Amino acid sequence: GENVEQHPSTLSVQEGDSAVIKCTYSDSASNYFPWYKQELGKGPQLIIDIRSNVGEKKDQRIAVTLNKTAKHFSLHITETQPEDSAVYFCAAPANQAGTALIFGKGTTLSVSS
Amino acid sequence: DTEVTQTPKHLVMGMTNKKSLKCEQHMGHRAMYWYKQKAKKPPELMFVYSYEKLSINESVPSRFSPECPNSSLLNLHLHALQPEDSALYLCASSQDSLNTEAFFGQGTRLTVV
Repeated sequence: GENVEQHPSTLSVQEGDSAVIKCTYSDSASNYFPWYKQELGKGPQLIIDIRSNVGEKKDQRIAVTLNKTAKHFSLHITETQPEDSAVYFCAAPANQAGTALIFGKGTTLSVSS
Repeated sequence: DTEVTQTPKHLVMGMTNKKSLKCEQHMGHRAMYWYKQKAKKPPELMFVYSYEKLSINESVPSRFSPECPNSSLLNLHLHALQPEDSALYLCASSQDSLNTEAFFGQGTRLTVV
């Protein structure tokens, strides 16, 4: 089955700075990589995802890049705001059948104003 | 509408009680999931239903019993739980179980006393 490693576990930035969170995966057959944001007391919210046929995807201040050769993908948040403070999880399909997701251990992002 | 609704939001139950968690989605999704999330940990898969049939049980103890009455509803029946079962229980749904966007509910915060 798939294994997902996520770094860093905590990240503190000043408002307006950029934040980058990186994940690596083990199964070269994996082809779908979502990112979730989880605020305190809430469920995970899908914020962006990428499939293995593209190398980068952007949505306003967030972007995800994928390097299939190195088997890693990254979340980039530009012009961070205090409301970006949350726990971010990367994920990948748990197995080649694609059923359900396995998550990285999460990154706690703190944006100070 | 990408809403997955879970009830109740909070539940406190004794170790001899029987209770049920409920999940509902109206997005026409045919895959539904139960995840368990302990504090400061990522969600961990418990069960997957695909087209109302149980397709994955991640070796979950029998004191947790899932049920999918129809394509919009997912229940998790709880009986004789232990204090260590206290956690956030998350329901999710996706169009199908093959590498598609999964949307999570807000979760049920369960405390076993």
